Amino acid sequence: QQPVQSPQAVILREGEDAVINCSSSKALYSVHWYRQKHGEAPVFLMILLKGGEQKGHEKISASFNEKKQQSSLYLTASQLSYSGTYFCGTVRRISGAGSYQLTFGKGTKLSVIP
Amino acid sequence: EAGVAQSPRYKIIEKRQSVAFWCNPISGHATLYWYQQILGQGPKLLIQFQNNGVVDDSQLPKDRFSAERLKGVDSTLKIQPAKLEDSAVYLCASSLSTGTKGYTFGSGTRLTVV
Repeated sequence: QQPVQSPQAVILREGEDAVINCSSSKALYSVHWYRQKHGEAPVFLMILLKGGEQKGHEKISASFNEKKQQSSLYLTASQLSYSGTYFCGTVRRISGAGSYQLTFGKGTKLSVIP
Repeated sequence: EAGVAQSPRYKIIEKRQSVAFWCNPISGHATLYWYQQILGQGPKLLIQFQNNGVVDDSQLPKDRFSAERLKGVDSTLKIQPAKLEDSAVYLCASSLSTGTKGYTFGSGTRLTVV
């Protein structure tokens, strides 16, 4: 049930754009995106709910295609600070528990160079 | 608001020894999670609590791992006895239980088993 992310790694020059994709074989309740810098905890970027999308940051946005069970993260005009590993997390509702479970993908390592 | 607190930050133990990690979530967050992150991989859910009840522990190696969340606030994760393959970062996270908000992660405990 782990979502599949692509690409595994990408190198950008400052100012370039990137797209990171995330797909699942299961129906999704929502999709999360996180960024993790080396040696630090994952930091929440944004959540995309069924029937809509939520932009969490300027120049970093995402889309969610419920039918295809896919999400994409868009980074525009990349900055050095965007470097890190990006994880998508797919959320399913746990039946009977009134709760939700988040499963992370393997991550996409993004390196932005001057 | 205060973040998710975890301790210790680092721990080195010999195989077959026991170890315990502590987590204090954000006040008001009903749901608490323990994730294991092996170097180069995405976080893997070990156990999820809602208040003081276990919602999902299907990926917890119950022969050696145990966790509790007394009074629905802080939580302890224990490993006994530890194996070499338990070397990883153990991340605690918390969230509102609505399923529409992101998770907040603690700084994690880096465990090395030698």
